Amino acid sequence: GENVEQHPSTLSVQEGDSAVIKCTYSDSASNYFPWYKQELGKRPQLIIDIRSNVGEKKDQRIAVTLNKTAKHFSLHITETQPEDSAVYFCAATFKGGGNKLTFGTGTQLKVEL
Amino acid sequence: KAGVTQTPRYLIKTRGQQVTLSCSPISGHRSVSWYQQTPGQGLQFLFEYFSETQRNKGNFPGRFSGRQFSNSRSEMNVSTLELGDSALYLCASSLDGTTNYGYTFGSGTRLTVV
Repeated sequence: GENVEQHPSTLSVQEGDSAVIKCTYSDSASNYFPWYKQELGKRPQLIIDIRSNVGEKKDQRIAVTLNKTAKHFSLHITETQPEDSAVYFCAATFKGGGNKLTFGTGTQLKVEL
Repeated sequence: KAGVTQTPRYLIKTRGQQVTLSCSPISGHRSVSWYQQTPGQGLQFLFEYFSETQRNKGNFPGRFSGRQFSNSRSEMNVSTLELGDSALYLCASSLDGTTNYGYTFGSGTRLTVV
C-alpha cells in the first residue's frame, strides 16, 4: 500500500549543528517527494522538493537526497538556527494516486541555544 | 499575490450537526486538495478537485463531501458530525493540478466537535 515512514519523531540539536530527517516510501514508482515545515499554529510550508530523476537538491542551508534503490529520502539542515524549530513532514506521491500526497508522521525539530 | 484563503478559521459544532468549510485558492490555480490533520493520524488526504471535477478521493466516509466552483473556489461539507471529526482541515492549491509547481497550503479551519 501507500506508506511513508518518517524518523525520528523528535530531534533536538544545538544551534549551529546539522539536522537530518529520514523517510522511506513503499512504492518504487513514486516520483515526487516534497518536504513541508509547519510552525506551531501555522500552515505547512513547502521548503524543498525533489523528483525521482534527481539524486540531490540544495537550497541554501537545506538539502534533500533521494536514494531510489533503497526507497528513501532525507532532509538535511545545516547550521541550524532557533527559527528552524518546527515540525517537518515528508511526503510522496504514489503511482495510481494522481497528485495525492501521502505524508510521513512528522518530526518535531528543536534547535537549542 | 494573495495566498490560499480558508474560512472560517475556527468552528465549534455539536455532534450530529453539519458544517461547510471554504477554500479560495491562489488566483489562477485550478486544483484544490483537502487534507485532515489530527495529532493521532497526521495529515490525511480527503479529496482533490480540478476544473470543478473530483479527481481523487481518500479513505473517508461518505459524510465527507466537497465541490469546486467555476472560479476554482472549493467547499467541503461534513454531515452528521462526530467527535472524531475534530481536526484542522487544510486545503492546498496548485497551478495546474500536477506536482510541477508544488502545493501551497492555506492556514486551515480548526473544527471542534463537542
